Amino acid sequence: EAEVAQSPRYKITEKSQAVAFWCDPISGHATLYWYRQILGQGPELLVQFQDESVVDDSQLPKDRFSAERLKGVDSTLKIQPAELGDSAMYLCASSLSRHEQYFGPGTRLTVT
Amino acid sequence: KQEVTQIPAALSVPEGENLVLNCSFTDSAIYNLQWFRQDPGKGLTSLLLIQSSQREQTSGRLNASLDKSSGRSTLYIAASQPGDSATYLCAVGTQGGSEKLVFGKGTKLTVNP
Repeated sequence: EAEVAQSPRYKITEKSQAVAFWCDPISGHATLYWYRQILGQGPELLVQFQDESVVDDSQLPKDRFSAERLKGVDSTLKIQPAELGDSAMYLCASSLSRHEQYFGPGTRLTVT
Repeated sequence: KQEVTQIPAALSVPEGENLVLNCSFTDSAIYNLQWFRQDPGKGLTSLLLIQSSQREQTSGRLNASLDKSSGRSTLYIAASQPGDSATYLCAVGTQGGSEKLVFGKGTKLTVNP
């Protein structure tokens, strides 16, 4: 069964360092999402791509976060510089338009 | 702004009991609703998807209903098992330019043997 792949699974970084996460969606899924989940909360959308174009990045802290999906397939989310408040689970999901969203295993980020 | 509320926040039941988890949302302009399961430290597993035109969906021991006009959904779990212990998240697909899901905070379910 096709799955969304994410790496790394866990990342520990020091405050002010740069960190990057990678996501490979299910083959054929044009829509890709990055969500952030703080412990005890539901996930919140950071950025949504349709193919290689950004559809919604209204909740992305653009002073420190960036996301790209250059060839419309896999995607990278970067944080520079990381802050203590960025500690969270970063989840990637993919879907066909307006269909069921499928989530990857997530990357657990700890900023010290 | 769409807001999703899940009640109760936590639930503990003995094995074999039937149970209902509740989800409410403030804006009825949705295109679908998904229920997810999340185990500690893990990603989300999709359980059921209900399109806005549908009233309910069933998968095995799970049944989800949707009343869009009243902004409510329920997840019914029959004959609960210890393996059902997890956090259950409700999410609504919002209409408009973005197709994002708006999530509730979840219900943490514990099924005791």
